[in-house]
Amino acid sequence: AQSVAQPEDQVNVAEGNPLTVKCTYSVSGNPYLFWYVQYPNRGLQFLLKYITGDNLVKGSYGFEAEFNKSQTSFHLKKPSALVSDSALYFCAVRDAVSSASKIIFGSGTRLSIRP
Amino acid sequence: NAGVTQTPKFQVLKTGQSMTLQCAQDMNHNSMYWYRQDPGMGLRLIYYSASEGTTDKGEVPNGYNVSRLNKREFSLRLESAAPSQTSVYFCASSEAFSQGRNSPLHFGNGTRLTVT
Repeated sequence: AQSVAQPEDQVNVAEGNPLTVKCTYSVSGNPYLFWYVQYPNRGLQFLLKYITGDNLVKGSYGFEAEFNKSQTSFHLKKPSALVSDSALYFCAVRDAVSSASKIIFGSGTRLSIRP
Repeated sequence: NAGVTQTPKFQVLKTGQSMTLQCAQDMNHNSMYWYRQDPGMGLRLIYYSASEGTTDKGEVPNGYNVSRLNKREFSLRLESAAPSQTSVYFCASSEAFSQGRNSPLHFGNGTRLTVT
């Protein structure tokens, strides 16, 4: 069975500084990974997904994610944070071996960017 | 395009009452999902339907039933609501998975359910 962990409930960053939101995963076969963002009182919006072979994936709003197979991690990054990036971020994983349609989410990380 | 539409947006139930949450998508997606979101717990998968005619349990299926009515619609039923089912419920859909295609989920705006 797959699992995904987001070890930080909250990440605080000053505007203009780089940010990292951490995610680690466990799957039986090749990982199929996603990042989503949720703004207050809204549904989740897709940010980016892992593409096999690309260790650095670029997504929406200037976000990117770094895949590390040996550490089973898929950390979300942005070189320069904006106040408007403040939101709840979720990592998700699909296990193509056990059940390809089943997608499991982490517990979420609240990102707070201070001016 | 409306995308994924959930009804109702808000609902208050008394313990023991039943209700059905409706979800419809207009993107011709094969797979549909129901998640619940609770503070500190993230999104937890209740049930999913890989394709029309199939449904499978997720992480937290107890107390819920689902119906994949057709390709567009996937409903979630609470037969006897409990306070522990107070949550925000999200429906999502995606294209079918294949090795060459890992499509993301598209989410509805959620249903906020309170059980008293």
